[in-house]
Amino acid sequence: KAGVTQTPRYLIKTRGQQVTLSCSPISGHRSVSWYQQTPGQGLQFLFEYFSETQRNKGNFPGRFSGRQFSNSRSEMNVSTLELGDSALYLCASSAGTGVDNEQFFGPGTRLTVL
Amino acid sequence: KQEVTQIPAALSVPEGENLVLNCSFTDSAIYNLQWFRQDPGKGLTSLLLIQSSQREQTSGRLNASLDKSSGRSTLYIAASQPGDSATYLCAVRYNFNKFYFGSGTKLNVKP
Repeated sequence: KAGVTQTPRYLIKTRGQQVTLSCSPISGHRSVSWYQQTPGQGLQFLFEYFSETQRNKGNFPGRFSGRQFSNSRSEMNVSTLELGDSALYLCASSAGTGVDNEQFFGPGTRLTVL
Repeated sequence: KQEVTQIPAALSVPEGENLVLNCSFTDSAIYNLQWFRQDPGKGLTSLLLIQSSQREQTSGRLNASLDKSSGRSTLYIAASQPGDSATYLCAVRYNFNKFYFGSGTKLNVKP
């Protein structure tokens, strides 16, 4: 089985721009979660989608949004980029919601905001 | 507020040593706990998943234990190797798929 894939792997943007990141989960997985990782704050939960519905949301401003398609692929969008948005963005997929639900992570998208 | 703490933040050991990494969490009402490994600039690799009803899980040289009542988990690495050098993260799941991560333990195994 192919793992979780994320595109693009690297992005450089300037302040005020908008960016869209993509995540393709493991085949058969219906849940996709997004995380932001920075040296200062560590790994922080952004949101989780299951069957095209957002089920959980972290404490991030409304500039961060996402969606999930019927094939479980997910996109994350950040509008009006700020310098502090520079981070490694990771997505994780899992099969569902059971107590033995294991998360599998993609390689991440490294976003640099200049 | 759910908080996850990992101690120590960094650890350097000679090759061959057995070592223990610690993870503590404030809210014991967890669904499960997962240990990950992260190499520099890379994504996370799942190592072990312990369900809330389990006490431990083993995979090769790795053994993870869980004590919900005291809010602690440990990751034991036997006979450490230089290839084990990485940052180790624990993540606690409370509901649905919302995970809280510790800040990690950066491990360096010296040849």
